[in-house]
Amino acid sequence: GNSVTQMEGPVTLSEEAFLTINCTYTATGYPSLFWYVQYPGEGLQLLLKATKADDKGSNKGFEATYRKETTSFHLEKGSVQVSDSAVYFCALSGDYKLSFGAGTTVTVRA
Amino acid sequence: SAVISQKPSRDICQRGTSLTIQCQVDSQVTMMFWYRQQPGQSLTLIATANQGSEATYESGFVIDKFPISRPNLTFSTLTVSNMSPEDSSIYLCSVEMGALGDTQYFGPGTRLTVL
Repeated sequence: GNSVTQMEGPVTLSEEAFLTINCTYTATGYPSLFWYVQYPGEGLQLLLKATKADDKGSNKGFEATYRKETTSFHLEKGSVQVSDSAVYFCALSGDYKLSFGAGTTVTVRA
Repeated sequence: SAVISQKPSRDICQRGTSLTIQCQVDSQVTMMFWYRQQPGQSLTLIATANQGSEATYESGFVIDKFPISRPNLTFSTLTVSNMSPEDSSIYLCSVEMGALGDTQYFGPGTRLTVL
């Protein structure tokens, strides 16, 4: 079946640091891949998506590239801010549903 | 995307009681989903709710415990029945949209505490 493995947290960074959250997946076929973000006390927001190999999703300074050869979809941001403190979830779409990773808690300190 | 609202936003309930959570979307959608997020955990799909048919439940979730209604293309309810403290979670609804029909957008969630 489909599954997503995410880098374990928590991750603590200083402002303006570089952020990478690793995500790898196992799936049949060609799933779409997603990153969702959950800010404290809120629901999930779609951060970015990619629908086919070599696609790059980007939003709010975050980027992730769909790498079929390494079955990965790592999330990156070049310079984080305190407002990026949140839980980040990697997910894939397949079998008519979303499969989520465990989530990575990111804390950015001023 | 879509604007999705949920009611209530949070509630504190006594064990043995039931709570019905409402999910309203500002546009017509075919697929709606209900998830549970236990404290500090990821999301687990409870069921898929399609208008005009019975909800489809995931392994480990049953209709008697989590009855779902889907009376039209913009609204759904999830009831958490005969609650126990283990049901304390965030319950989220989502809808499927996008050109490929594979992107889900989530409501703000309902934070349930069972005493």
